[in-house]
Amino acid sequence: GIQVEQSPPDLILQEGANSTLRCNFSDSVNNLQWFHQNPWGQLINLFYIPSGTKQNGRLSATTVATERYSLLYISSSQTTDSGVYFCAVDSGNTPLVFGKGTRLSVIA
Amino acid sequence: KAGVTQTPRYLIKTRGQQVTLSCSPISGHRSVSWYQQTPGQGLQFLFEYFSETQRNKGNFPGRFSGRQFSNSRSEMNVSTLELGDSALYLCASSLGSFNSPLHFGNGTRLTVT
Repeated sequence: GIQVEQSPPDLILQEGANSTLRCNFSDSVNNLQWFHQNPWGQLINLFYIPSGTKQNGRLSATTVATERYSLLYISSSQTTDSGVYFCAVDSGNTPLVFGKGTRLSVIA
Repeated sequence: KAGVTQTPRYLIKTRGQQVTLSCSPISGHRSVSWYQQTPGQGLQFLFEYFSETQRNKGNFPGRFSGRQFSNSRSEMNVSTLELGDSALYLCASSLGSFNSPLHFGNGTRLTVT
């Protein structure tokens, strides 16, 4: 099945800093989504982005499908950005496969 | 619009017992998926239901089962609980097409003692 690798596994930032999270996948995908899991366990859908670039406030994402990777950018980070960021993909008539996530800690 | 609702939020069960978890999807969503999250294995897909039919199934033993009702609400059942079943169980709903964004509930944290 499709493999998803996320990097870095852990990231510590000072409040106000910018960061880039990476997601590599092993096969062509029809569906790629980014999620944020807050410290209370809730998973929030950030982006549906199988290709191209999207922006939502301080967050933006870019997927280069031909090179099998996606990037999530967080600008001017805030403590509320802390949590785990997951990338999930599927290749068609299959369920989403999640990466192991990047654990982000933003320090005031 | 109300989000995905999972009940109960927390459960403590004893080995050998069985448990039923419930999920109410976002209004209009016809697909419900279930995931198990553990520190060691991460997020693993259990099964997906669409219009009362199981559309996909993950690699879990037959002790894990589910169903979906005509109003799209879903339940999952785990029989003969084992210690390793302790996990956060997450339900997600979507419109049902294969490129639909998933929206997750708050999860049910199951502890098996």
